Amino acid sequence: KAGVTQTPRYLIKTRGQQVTLSCSPISGHRSVSWYQQTPGQGLQFLFEYFSETQRNKGNFPGRFSGRQFSNSRSEMNVSTLELGDSALYLCASSSMDVYTEAFFGQGTRLTVV
Amino acid sequence: AQTVTQSQPEMSVQEAETVTLSCTYDTSESNYYLFWYKQPPSRQMILVIRQEAYKQQNATENRFSVNFQKAAKSFSLKISDSQLGDTAMYFCAFMVATNKLIFGTGTLLAVQP
Repeated sequence: KAGVTQTPRYLIKTRGQQVTLSCSPISGHRSVSWYQQTPGQGLQFLFEYFSETQRNKGNFPGRFSGRQFSNSRSEMNVSTLELGDSALYLCASSSMDVYTEAFFGQGTRLTVV
Repeated sequence: AQTVTQSQPEMSVQEAETVTLSCTYDTSESNYYLFWYKQPPSRQMILVIRQEAYKQQNATENRFSVNFQKAAKSFSLKISDSQLGDTAMYFCAFMVATNKLIFGTGTLLAVQP
């Protein structure tokens, strides 16, 4: 069974631009979560989608948004990029059951210059 | 507030020896799951072990075991017969809402030959 796939792996953007990151979950998994990892703030939860609906949201500004498609693939969008948005963005997928472990992708390394 | 504390930023152990990583957490919930994740230099987050809060028996996965003390809100990870491939950042995390993980700051473990 293929794992969680995140694209692209690396991305360099200019301050003020917007960016879209993609995540394809493990086949059959309907929940997709996004996390931001930085040296200063560590791992922080962004949001979680289940069956195309956002169920949980972390404490991030509205510039961070996401969506999930009918095939469970998810995208995360960051508008008006700031230098502080430079981070590793991790996507995780889980099965539909409550309280299951999350399986992570290899992440997208975003650098804002 | 729900928090996870890992008080050991870095640890070192000799190959084949045993090491214990500490983790404490704070939550008012009674039902939750606890996890240890490993993040090697490749950045891929890998689930090491999982513990259901309602289970008194400590989880074990091959060389990895936990010491779960619910009253003390403590969840330590013991790695036996340490191997060079165990070198990684280890994150303690818990889940109180559906698929939302709250992570500690991590412990960087170096296994020395």
